[in-house]
Amino acid sequence: DTAVSQTPKYLVTQMGNDKSIKCEQNLGHDTMYWYKQDSKKFLKIMFSYNNKELIINETVPNRFSPKSPDKAHLNLHINSLELGDSAVYFCASSPVSHYGYTFGSGTRLTVV
Amino acid sequence: EDQVTQSPEALRLQEGESSSLNCSYTVSGLRGLFWYRQDPGKGPEFLFTLYSAGEEKEKERLKATLTKKESFLHITAPKPEDSATYLCAVDRAGGTSYGKLTFGQGTILTVHP
Repeated sequence: DTAVSQTPKYLVTQMGNDKSIKCEQNLGHDTMYWYKQDSKKFLKIMFSYNNKELIINETVPNRFSPKSPDKAHLNLHINSLELGDSAVYFCASSPVSHYGYTFGSGTRLTVV
Repeated sequence: EDQVTQSPEALRLQEGESSSLNCSYTVSGLRGLFWYRQDPGKGPEFLFTLYSAGEEKEKERLKATLTKKESFLHITAPKPEDSATYLCAVDRAGGTSYGKLTFGQGTILTVHP
């Protein structure tokens, strides 16, 4: 029944490793997003996809690569993890950009 | 650059004590202003979207209002279950900002029984 589901919920990994976070939505929305929430609770957009097409790519290191195999899925792959990548990553979806987003429950990434 | 500033950073209320949260924004053309509620360890939960100055929306004990420079989230007779972080965000109209929300830092609301 979960509208936007992310896996895993927690991810602890060492510096230099490569990891992926998966996101799926069953709402039929056309647009999906990745947001990063830092330790001060600021939410900042990283990427948005509309019908599998990349729309927004904010100033994010090339180590971060989103992939959308279909409009219900948006995954985030991170190469060569750094300590500063530690944060909570949220996936979200919306029918169109100016309607309320539905967020997933987040993935807490800790790089040690 | 779009900016969203929320105040206060934290607010403690007694159950039944009404108050307001403020969201001041700067954006070149507002498509929409959003309010979200975030509980610890969870994702933000959508509350309201406001599109134009003068607009108001209500949901249970919450009422959101919008002017050309700020939005208020009024909480009437709050209950402990209203305790959460309340986030404000703006979406800029047009151009390459499609789907990009700019969030404020949030107001942490604690309601004591």
